[in-house]
Amino acid sequence: GDSVTQMEGPVTLSEEAFLTINCTYTATGYPSLFWYVQYPGEGLQLLLKATKADDKGSNKGFEATYRKETTSFHLEKGSVQVSDSAVYFCALRAGGTSYGKLTFGQGTILTVHP
Amino acid sequence: GAVVSQHPSRVICKSGTSVKIECRSLDFQATTMFWYRQFPKQSLMLMATSNEGSKATYEQGVEKDKFLINHASLTLSTLTVTSAHPEDSSFYICSPARASGTYEQYFGPGTRLTVT
Repeated sequence: GDSVTQMEGPVTLSEEAFLTINCTYTATGYPSLFWYVQYPGEGLQLLLKATKADDKGSNKGFEATYRKETTSFHLEKGSVQVSDSAVYFCALRAGGTSYGKLTFGQGTILTVHP
Repeated sequence: GAVVSQHPSRVICKSGTSVKIECRSLDFQATTMFWYRQFPKQSLMLMATSNEGSKATYEQGVEKDKFLINHASLTLSTLTVTSAHPEDSSFYICSPARASGTYEQYFGPGTRLTVT
C-alpha cells in the first residue's frame, strides 16, 4: 500500500537557519504530494502541494519539489523564523484521483529558537 | 481556509462509557468527512470516510460498532466512541472535504480523548 516516511524529529534550529525536512514515499502510479503544517492548538493547514513530477510547490518561503526518480518531496526553507515552530506532515493522495484519502507521514516537530 | 471546529477539545472518561465528538464545518458544506486518529509521535491514521446521508466506510482494522460515525448534515458529523477502553485514548481529528470545481479538504483542531 501507499506510505510516507519523514525524517524523525524533533528538529531544533536557530532563527535564520536553513531548514530541510526529508520526505520519501511509496505509491503506485503518480500520486499528488502535500506538506501540511500544524501550529499548537490548531488543525492541520495545507502548506504547499505538487501534483506531478518536477512540480515545485511553494508558500511562505517554504519549497518542495516532486522528484519521481527519488520518490521524494523534501521541504526546505532558506531562513526559518520562530513563528515557523510547528509540526510538519508530508502526505500523498493516490494518483489518478483529485479527491480521496490522504496518507500521512509521522510528522516532524520543528522548534526555532531566537 | 475554512473554519472547522471540534467539540470537546479534551475529554476524560471512565472505561466502559461512551463519548461523542462533534465536528462542524462552519463556513462550507462538507460532502465528505474523514475521521483520523493520531497516536503520540505517530502519523494520522484514517479511520473512516463518510458521505453526507450515507453510511461510513471504515478502514481495515477499525471496528465500526465501536466507532460510530454519523454524517447527517453537510455541516455536522459526529464520532462516538462506544464502551471506551484505555487503548482508545488518542487524538481524534475530523477532516471535512468537498468537491466543487476544485477539491478542498480541511482539518479540525482535534479532540484529545483520555480513558481512565
